[in-house]
Amino acid sequence: DTAVSQTPKYLVTQMGNDKSIKCEQNLGHDTMYWYKQDSKKFLKIMFSYNNKELIINETVPNRFSPKSPDKAHLNLHINSLELGDSAVYFCASSQSYRRTSYNEQFFGPGTRLTVL
Amino acid sequence: QQQVKQSPQSLIVQKGGISIINCAYENTAFDYFPWYQQFPGKGPALLIAIRPDVSEKKEGRFTISFNKSAKQFSLHIMDSQPGDSATYFCAASLTGNQFYFGTGTSLTVIP
Repeated sequence: DTAVSQTPKYLVTQMGNDKSIKCEQNLGHDTMYWYKQDSKKFLKIMFSYNNKELIINETVPNRFSPKSPDKAHLNLHINSLELGDSAVYFCASSQSYRRTSYNEQFFGPGTRLTVL
Repeated sequence: QQQVKQSPQSLIVQKGGISIINCAYENTAFDYFPWYQQFPGKGPALLIAIRPDVSEKKEGRFTISFNKSAKQFSLHIMDSQPGDSATYFCAASLTGNQFYFGTGTSLTVIP
């Protein structure tokens, strides 16, 4: 029973294609995130949703569009893929971004996207 | 702009030695400082965390030292083991909201 799951684990595609990555959490958390980890392992937040509502939208090309059908799911759709999009994408969740106490983020296993 | 600066980029330690990773931040409003551990092919996982009203937190072989005036914090791994070989990320956040991660430290513990 995986807490945060992502599909697919690997994604290899051609430049210009459109692809989606799915994320689901079964922890009952309110807040979900998408991170991008580049080849140097730098982790950068892309988006954050709280209970289906967008709360963080970093400077990310509008080719990236998150979709949250319910608070347990946060999918990432990428249009017109470019070489620079190649990275590992991590989904994460936490109880609620509004909490003032420790707010541990639980990460999924990652999706390695390779754009050829 | 890098909100959290982490060093060193890589670290090699003998088994039984002490591993020390350092981080520095600028925003004094940060109120939560976690450390995450990431094994190859896996997502990061919370290792230990500290709030700025405490100068030290210890959990087993892992200790965070926090210097609020210097805006620095560090992770100490005592009696380092080969199983500790992983990438370690420090982070800082505001009331658990947006997290800013350091650039990561690749730790290798030699048997």
